[in-house]
Amino acid sequence: QSVLTQPPSVSGAPGQRVTISCTGSSSNIGAGYDVHWYQQLPGIAPKLLIYGNSNRPSGVPDRFSGSKSGTSASLAITGLQAEDEADYYCQSYDNSLSALYVFGTGTKVTVL
Amino acid sequence: QVQLVESGGGVVQPGGSLRLSCAASGFIFSTYGMHWVRQAPGKGLEWVAFIRYHGSNKNYADSVKGRFTISRDNSKNTLYLQMNSLRAEDTAVYYCAKDLHYGGNPIPFDYWGQGTLVTVSS
Repeated sequence: QSVLTQPPSVSGAPGQRVTISCTGSSSNIGAGYDVHWYQQLPGIAPKLLIYGNSNRPSGVPDRFSGSKSGTSASLAITGLQAEDEADYYCQSYDNSLSALYVFGTGTKVTVL
Repeated sequence: QVQLVESGGGVVQPGGSLRLSCAASGFIFSTYGMHWVRQAPGKGLEWVAFIRYHGSNKNYADSVKGRFTISRDNSKNTLYLQMNSLRAEDTAVYYCAKDLHYGGNPIPFDYWGQGTLVTVSS
């Protein structure tokens, strides 16, 4: 079980706004470590979506935005589109673990 | 453009060994840290191992420590994962991934390969 908890699923109609939470603790997100987000389309390798809490790599639409506060982070998708249907994972570091990286539990976004 | 192409996956019996390769192109391989990440069928992502750009620093997840070895050949632009004493729970798609040059912590992975499936079964 990951130290970063995400809701198993979220859904929304096309055009709506959805948010995905990534809840951690004082040994990871709350300790100031950055949070990154990845999108994994069905059957495809993950793709970096947001890095450093709120930065978008070149080519990522500005419909995707990230934020961090306290021991949690969030990914928001505004103007939801059918092609956004995918799994989303947050990633950070936890100083109580020996692993260099921890991924969140993952969230399936369904476009209704 | 950046390309990462994994190979070497397949079916292996419990206790067996396998070596994965990741051929890199489109960037200066010798200047980037590299990772292996795996995903069991229907499950989430699990970071497996990391190697720094020069190859002398390596880190492993507890679940594979002592059984897996990450290495690289910068002259061949290739990353490797030697997997020994394989278990059923090692069954997964294995991805190689590249570090983004980034000043924060942790460093994100900006490019991933397409993955190679490893199945451990008798």
